[in-house]
Formats: sequence, structure tokens, C-alpha cells
Amino acid sequence: AQSVTQLDSQVPVFEEAPVELRCNYSSSVSVYLFWYVQYPNQGLQLLLKYLSGSTLVESINGFEAEFNKSQTSFHLRKPSVHISDTAEYFCAVSEANAGGTSYGKLTFGQGTILTVHP
Amino acid sequence: NAGVTQTPKFRVLKTGQSMTLLCAQDMNHEYMYWYRQDPGMGLRLIHYSVGEGTTAKGEVPDGYNVSRLKKQNFLLGLESAAPSQTSVYFCASSSYGVDEQFFGPGTRLTVL
Repeated sequence: AQSVTQLDSQVPVFEEAPVELRCNYSSSVSVYLFWYVQYPNQGLQLLLKYLSGSTLVESINGFEAEFNKSQTSFHLRKPSVHISDTAEYFCAVSEANAGGTSYGKLTFGQGTILTVHP
Repeated sequence: NAGVTQTPKFRVLKTGQSMTLLCAQDMNHEYMYWYRQDPGMGLRLIHYSVGEGTTAKGEVPDGYNVSRLKKQNFLLGLESAAPSQTSVYFCASSSYGVDEQFFGPGTRLTVL
């Protein structure tokens, strides 16, 4: 069975500072990796995903994550955060079926609350 | 397009009562999912469906049943609610398994 661990439950940072949210996973098969963001009282929105190819993936609002197979990690980074980045961030994985398909059964980490202070 | 909608937004039940949560999507997605979110535990998959007329168990299916009679709707039922089912329930849909999942706004359920 797969599992996901987000190493920090809360990360406070100042505006324009860099940030890294850590995510480690375990699985006995190939996985697909995702970061979702949840703003207060809303559903989750996809931030970025790794399916295959380049191990560095980027989002449209400046976040990036790197898939490290040897360390089974998928850490999320942003070089300069804004107040509007304050939210809860979830790392998630889904296992690949034979042939590379997936049912999309996501296993989520516990979440990391990012708070950006002025 | 409304995307993914959930009905109701809030509900309070007494132990032993039953209810049905409705999820509707207007994106013609094949896959639909029900998750529950509890503090400090992230989201956990309850049941999912890979197409009209199909359902399958997720990580925490006990105490819940689901139906997917129409492609656009995915119903989650609680036959006899328990306080342990107090949670926020999210529905999601995607066009295929590795695609982005689109989430609804959630239903906050309290069981007394």
C-alpha cells in the first residue's frame, strides 16, 4: 500500500522569502505525484503534477516540484512567496496499474499549512 | 459550467439517522470520487467510480454506500450515522485516472 508523509504541519514565512514544503512517499509500484492547494473553506485545486518525463515540474504561479525517485520525495518550492499563497498544501500519490494507467485513487499526506506574513 | 457541485453544504444528524449526499458534475467526466477530510489526516478516499453503473471501495468505505446511476451524479449514503462520521466530505471528478481531479466545495457533516 502507498503512503505519503508531509514532514511539516505548519510553515510560517515572511513575504518574498523562499519556501520548501517537504513530501515523502512510499510505494511498491510506480506512482504519479500531485500537489493540491486548499484555500480556506474551499475545495482542493491542482497545483502541479508529475506523470513522467522531466523530473522538475512547474505551476503557472511560480511553484515547482522535483521528483526524486531515489529519495522517494516530491518537495514543493517557491523562490519568493506572496501573501496570497497562504493556504493548506497537500501532497498526493496514485499508483500506476499495469500498462501505466491509473484509477486515480489518491492517497494524501496530512497537509502543510503555509502562512505568509507581511 | 458549474463544475462539481455538492448538496447539501451543511448538515447535522443524530446518531442512527440516515442521509444521502449528492455530487453532480457537468464536465462529462468518467471518474468520480468521494473523500472525507479530518484535521491532521489529509483526505481519505471512501469510494470511487470509473464510469456510469460502476462503484468500488476506497481506503475507508465502512459505514458508507454509493451509487452512480447517471454519469453526472455520484451519491454517498450513510445508512446509520455515527459520531465518527463527523467530517467534511468532498466529491471530485476527472476525465481519466491520471488527470486532474476537480473538487466540489465540500459538505460539512456533524453527527451528534
